[in-house]
Amino acid sequence: DQQVKQNSPSLSVQEGRISILNCDYTNSMFDYFLWYKKYPAEGPTFLISISSIKDKNEDGRFTVFLNKSAKHLSLHIVPSQPGDSAVYFCAASTGTASKLTFGTGTRLQVTL
Amino acid sequence: GAVVSQHPSRVICKSGTSVKIECRSLDFQATTMFWYRQFPKKSLMLMATSNEGSKATYEQGVEKDKFLINHASLTLSTLTVTSAHPEDSSFYICSARQPGSTDTQYFGPGTRLTVL
Repeated sequence: DQQVKQNSPSLSVQEGRISILNCDYTNSMFDYFLWYKKYPAEGPTFLISISSIKDKNEDGRFTVFLNKSAKHLSLHIVPSQPGDSAVYFCAASTGTASKLTFGTGTRLQVTL
Repeated sequence: GAVVSQHPSRVICKSGTSVKIECRSLDFQATTMFWYRQFPKKSLMLMATSNEGSKATYEQGVEKDKFLINHASLTLSTLTVTSAHPEDSSFYICSARQPGSTDTQYFGPGTRLTVL
């Protein structure tokens, strides 16, 4: 049972444009959400997170939006840069449990 | 801050041998560390939660006698793959939760295990 889903396995965006990565979840108990970036043969790097009490969190070029009613979150990267090319995982937790449930990942390629 | 290291980064071993992987939090004390496994082109699968000074909590389907976890100090957790077989070949990643933060976990660089 995949509780966190990233339905787009890959995404290609031109440099300078906006990248939008999507994530859906089914467990209504999730109240904390994170995005990680991962290069091959490396561990994930934390990018940005959002608590369920918010609907938006921004950090530089990265913005995460949360729509609780739709059980949907998205990561916006603007402007996209070639160095952003990686696999992006969304993850969710129920807060106190601290266990993260990961999505299947979306491979982002930023082209010149 | 929030740096997590893993050692070794890559290991090749013969079938039947045991392999130990270390996970260290370098600039903070972590009462809880996590061990994940990633198969090619798949998501990260949580194997177990490692708690300092107590027994690890294993996820369903993970053999605790095969994947021994020890969290002897606030900065070190070890995963030992006992009697490794080729099907244990995978990318193993640890993470640590920074105290006082929410549920943000910081990950190590991973260990590529190949069992011949």
